Amino acid sequence: EDQVTQSPEALRLQEGESSSLNCSYTVSGLRGLFWYRQDPGKGPEFLFTLYSAGEEKEKERLKATLTKKESFLHITAPKPEDSATYLCAVRASGTSYDKVIFGPGTSLSVIP
Amino acid sequence: DGGITQSPKYLFRKEGQNVTLSCEQNLNHDAMYWYRQDPGQGLRLIYYSQIVNDFQKGDIAEGYSVSREKKESFPLTVTSAQKNPTAFYLCASGEGGSYNEQFFGPGTRLTVL
Repeated sequence: EDQVTQSPEALRLQEGESSSLNCSYTVSGLRGLFWYRQDPGKGPEFLFTLYSAGEEKEKERLKATLTKKESFLHITAPKPEDSATYLCAVRASGTSYDKVIFGPGTSLSVIP
Repeated sequence: DGGITQSPKYLFRKEGQNVTLSCEQNLNHDAMYWYRQDPGQGLRLIYYSQIVNDFQKGDIAEGYSVSREKKESFPLTVTSAQKNPTAFYLCASGEGGSYNEQFFGPGTRLTVL
């Protein structure tokens, strides 16, 4: 069964304390892996798309990497404004529709 | 300024009522989607549409209905048959195809009184 898990469920960091979020997936035929940021009460904001193992994408303090079984979202020297829930989603090959499966998210809190 | 709009932001429904959530996009995207988000769970797909006048059920379509009469619009009706409708509803659009990301609207929070 296609599945996406994220760990940890919640992460609390001091400002400037770098860390990584994990997204593990089990799907047949990866079409793409997506990272989103979601603030409370708002819709997810698109961050990155990764397509193949070894690929990396960067945006400000965020860097996403992809292997054959998981993806990491590295946060370097985070600031309080980076506090949000980070969602991982995977597009798997299907029939008439390539299904997108979302993980439950990691809630990040950055303390000043 | 291109984007996706959803209205209303908050919606309250009485038992037995049907309500319709609006979703409009001006990104010229072919594909549109409706998701439901509950605390502690990943987004779950309700319905999707890859082209005007065509739509398909997602994983949790029971108690919901949609229409796609225009490329820009994809309204979702939550019917009285939906037994647990209280949730955060998210509309998304994308260029379609196998590899493209989806872009989300701001969401509608529906509460059943």
